Amino acid sequence: DAGVTQSPTHLIKTRGQQVTLRCSPKSGHDTVSWYQQALGQGPQFIFQYYEEEERQRGNFPDRFSGHQFPNYSSELNVNALLLGDSALYLCASSRTTAHYGYTFGSGTRLTVV
Amino acid sequence: QKEVEQNSGPLSVPEGAIASLNCTYSDRGSQSFFWYRQYSGKSPELIMFIYSNGDKEDGRFTAQLNKASQYVSLLIRDSQPSDSATYLCAGRGKHSGYALNFGKGTSLLVTP
Repeated sequence: DAGVTQSPTHLIKTRGQQVTLRCSPKSGHDTVSWYQQALGQGPQFIFQYYEEEERQRGNFPDRFSGHQFPNYSSELNVNALLLGDSALYLCASSRTTAHYGYTFGSGTRLTVV
Repeated sequence: QKEVEQNSGPLSVPEGAIASLNCTYSDRGSQSFFWYRQYSGKSPELIMFIYSNGDKEDGRFTAQLNKASQYVSLLIRDSQPSDSATYLCAGRGKHSGYALNFGKGTSLLVTP
């Protein structure tokens, strides 16, 4: 049973560029959330997708956008990259209510230079 | 003030001892709490969740919740070197909606 898979694992981008990160949820899960984790910090909630719509958004600028596909997989897009966007981006999946918590993928390490 | 607070540590305990990790939260609307373990360079892994006041035990782990004091803890009995990791406390409730509010994490080092 595959868990949450994310791609790519590592990425280096230049300031001002755009990036797309991908996530496939765990089998049986229909909800995908994205988190940003800076070094030495806890994960910060970016947004959550359910039924192909953004259900809830954290305190992140509009440069961060996402999408969920009919097969529940999801993409995170970040435009106009800043040095401060360098972080580990984590995808977490769950069943609708997430009563038992979220399962995290292994993350994408984004470095902006 | 951050909604979930944890002492960043490091907390150092000898092998076989009990490790006690603590977390406080400010949002009284928080209804559920989760403990995640994160090894360096890896993703968070769910250890336990707790919703009700009191203790919840799972193997060597015990989660404790005191809603009146807005306090959550995780006890690890018979600590092993493989337990050395960062432990993240997260809360979720009325105000956070579906989002988990994470603390910064406590670094635990179990010495042989």
